[in-house]
Amino acid sequence: AQSVSQHNHHVILSEAASLELGCNYSYGGTVNLFWYVQYPGQHLQLLLKYFSGDPLVKGIKGFEAEFIKSKFSFNLRKPSVQWSDTAEYFCAVNGMDSNYQLIWGAGTKLIIKP
Amino acid sequence: DVKVTQSSRYLVKRTGEKVFLECVQDMDHENMFWYRQDPGLGLRLIYFSYDVKMKEKGDIPEGYSVSREKKERFSLILESASTNQTSMYLCASSLPGQAYNEQFFGPGTRLTVL
Repeated sequence: AQSVSQHNHHVILSEAASLELGCNYSYGGTVNLFWYVQYPGQHLQLLLKYFSGDPLVKGIKGFEAEFIKSKFSFNLRKPSVQWSDTAEYFCAVNGMDSNYQLIWGAGTKLIIKP
Repeated sequence: DVKVTQSSRYLVKRTGEKVFLECVQDMDHENMFWYRQDPGLGLRLIYFSYDVKMKEKGDIPEGYSVSREKKERFSLILESASTNQTSMYLCASSLPGQAYNEQFFGPGTRLTVL
């Protein structure tokens, strides 16, 4: 069965620090990969996605993620975080033979100290 | 902008009650989803629907049923609510066919079963 692992459940950083949130998945075939973000009191929304091509994907608000197939990873990065990045971040994976279903990680709560 | 609305933001029900959660989307999306979101568990798929009157079970369908009589509306039904169904319920919709299409989420309904 497919699974998604987000290693850190809580991350606390100061403003201007660099961010890397880990995401590993277990699935041997072709995958589509997503990062979603949920700001306090707001809807879940798409941050970025990968489905083919350049493994370095850029998303909204300065975020990027790199797909490393050999490591089954899709880590999220931002070089300099802001207080407004405080949110919960979810990694999700869709295996190409699993139809519409996304498999979700447990989420990482990111707190940025001003 | 895609808009997904859910009938209630907060709901309190008693054990054994029948509970209806309604979701409406305004972008003519074929696919609609119901998830529950619990701390440390991420999002878990309850049911999804890929067309009117069509539904498929997700990972945790037990204790739930769904109804999709119109394309824009997808209802989640708890036939006899239990305390372990206290959770945040999220509805989402997406375009048809390709699994990597973005899912658009509603604001969620926080259900408490006493």
